Amino acid sequence: EVQLVESGGGLVQPGGSLRLSCAASGFTVSSNYMSWVRQAPGKGLEWVSVIYSGGSTYYADSVKGRFTISRDNSKNTLYLQMNSLRAEDTAVYYCARVPHAGYFDYWGQGTLVTVSS
Amino acid sequence: SYVLTQPPSVSVAPGQTARITCGGNNIGSKSVHWYQQKPGQAPVLVVYDDSDRPSGIPERFSGSNSGNTATLTISRVEAGDEADYYCQVWDSSRGVFGTGTKVTVL
Repeated sequence: EVQLVESGGGLVQPGGSLRLSCAASGFTVSSNYMSWVRQAPGKGLEWVSVIYSGGSTYYADSVKGRFTISRDNSKNTLYLQMNSLRAEDTAVYYCARVPHAGYFDYWGQGTLVTVSS
Repeated sequence: SYVLTQPPSVSVAPGQTARITCGGNNIGSKSVHWYQQKPGQAPVLVVYDDSDRPSGIPERFSGSNSGNTATLTISRVEAGDEADYYCQVWDSSRGVFGTGTKVTVL
């Protein structure tokens, strides 16, 4: 059974950093495209980043230069390192599997990041 | 950047048909995917590649895509279909989500 479990969310001050983790089971992270999607309170879905099976990475303009997506093949885990956090980064962050850089077929339950002083 | 536009809300009576549009420049040339999201839950894929359904999704959910508009159709709407729906495409190696549509079952 495919499962994605996010962790690492919490309250952080503006300008601070946080690292989110997404532990996968039932499939191999490194053999798939994996993505992060976020949702601000009461708002719609916003794509954040993707890492291809070959290692290429892409980011939304809103986070480029501040966020870094990576994976640990030995732990079958996806990460999102978030630096220089802003109030507008406050959201529930979901990790998702993306077969063939197309649709998001499996999602985690999400982890809440709150950026506030 | 590529923009997908959806109506903010659609209201439908039980047993009737709901149609949710997703507008984008020449969207017919892209593969469109649709998600259902209920309050406090993660999104669920309901249609992929314009018109295919994942296993476990009722046949009542169907999709089409042509020109500048993709459409998600929910036939014989049930109370449990009340949710937010999002369309999504991939553009220049970046994911793009629609603005979202709240479906209310009257």
